[in-house]
Amino acid sequence: ETGVTQSPTHLIKTRGQQVTLRCSSQSGHNTVSWYQQALGQGPQFIFQYYREEENGRGNFPPRFSGLQFPNYSSELNVNALELDDSALYLCASSLESPSDTQYFGPGTRLTVL
Amino acid sequence: GDSVTQMEGPVTLSEEAFLTINCTYTATGYPSLFWYVQYPGEGLQLLLKATKADDKGSNKGFEATYRKETTSFHLEKGSVQVSDSAVYFCALRKNGFNKFYFGSGTKLNVKP
Repeated sequence: ETGVTQSPTHLIKTRGQQVTLRCSSQSGHNTVSWYQQALGQGPQFIFQYYREEENGRGNFPPRFSGLQFPNYSSELNVNALELDDSALYLCASSLESPSDTQYFGPGTRLTVL
Repeated sequence: GDSVTQMEGPVTLSEEAFLTINCTYTATGYPSLFWYVQYPGEGLQLLLKATKADDKGSNKGFEATYRKETTSFHLEKGSVQVSDSAVYFCALRKNGFNKFYFGSGTKLNVKP
């Protein structure tokens, strides 16, 4: 069974650019949640996708958007990057929504210069 | 609003010492409570959970009891090992909702 994978591992962008991060959910999981983890902080919920529809959103501006594909993999897109967007971006998959059990990927480290 | 507060680190202990990491929460209703662990360079892993008052979650020698009267979920281990060195996060999820709230994390360093 393949766990949750994310790509790329690291990414460097400049302010104002756009970025796309990718997540492959664990086999059989139809729910993907995205989190932003700033240095020294806990993860902050960005949004969740369940069966290809957005299913809840945290306090993030509209320039954070996402997609979920029929195979339940997911993308996080961030437009007009700001310096404060520098963080570790984590995705987590679960069998259903809501669920107590979510499996995290290793994350994508985004640096905005 | 809903939130989790945990003790600031780092916490430095010698091997075989007793560990307590404090966690308190604020939430309407009756949330489920969790402890996650993050080893260097890795994603978060669920360590243990409790879904109702007075439940005790346990795993790998770690324990935490859901205390509704004190809104707490403190993590304990009787004898830590060097391999327990990691960052520990307390979290909650309100029942019926899909959003998790995480604390800011407590870094544990265990010295041989």
